[in-house]
Amino acid sequence: DTAVSQTPKYLVTQMGNDKSIKCEQNLGHDTMYWYKQDSKKFLKIMFSYNNKELIINETVPNRFSPKSPDKAHLNLHINSLELGDSAVYFCASSQQIAKNIQYFGAGTRLSVL
Amino acid sequence: AQTVTQSQPEMSVQEAETVTLSCTYDTSESDYYLFWYKQPPSRQMILVIRQEAYKQQNATENRFSVNFQKAAKSFSLKISDSQLGDAAMYFCAYRGSYGGATNKLIFGTGTLLAVQP
Repeated sequence: DTAVSQTPKYLVTQMGNDKSIKCEQNLGHDTMYWYKQDSKKFLKIMFSYNNKELIINETVPNRFSPKSPDKAHLNLHINSLELGDSAVYFCASSQQIAKNIQYFGAGTRLSVL
Repeated sequence: AQTVTQSQPEMSVQEAETVTLSCTYDTSESDYYLFWYKQPPSRQMILVIRQEAYKQQNATENRFSVNFQKAAKSFSLKISDSQLGDAAMYFCAYRGSYGGATNKLIFGTGTLLAVQP
């Protein structure tokens, strides 16, 4: 069973569209994250939720809205997509206290045309 | 703010040889965690090794070991007996230990490791 699963793996869309990426973890973790990896492979945190509460929001444009319906899910909705949003988006999860290891999903490659 | 620096954009090693990837970081915190993640062409982020700052002993995982120098803020990764499957991008990462907003991983820019047969 995949521990952290993201869907879709690939997403190709036009500028101006709205899209969502879903993430689910079956590890029983209480904290989930979204990271963005740009074209130069640089990884940067976007958001983090702990038990459905937003705890990290790293100066991301408000076109990006994370939603956590429960602690096993953290979805990312992006409005009015721009060319610069093209990147790989990674979901991750961890247990806040124990071991502090973050486990990553396989990533979603978003291409905005 | 914490920063992580990887000064080697690319490295190359012969199969069965040993290679060391460098990482330095900057922080004013006394307790934190350091990680090396591997990203092969499949894109999956795989944890290689983890070090807790309060532990003086260097972490080891099979062929992978670290040289953690807390005073120098240095955290290098040594790969012994390199294998073709070790070819990947390697990221050094820092994480605070106080929970909440310090939970985020701060990554270096990565080192692309090639393994020559």
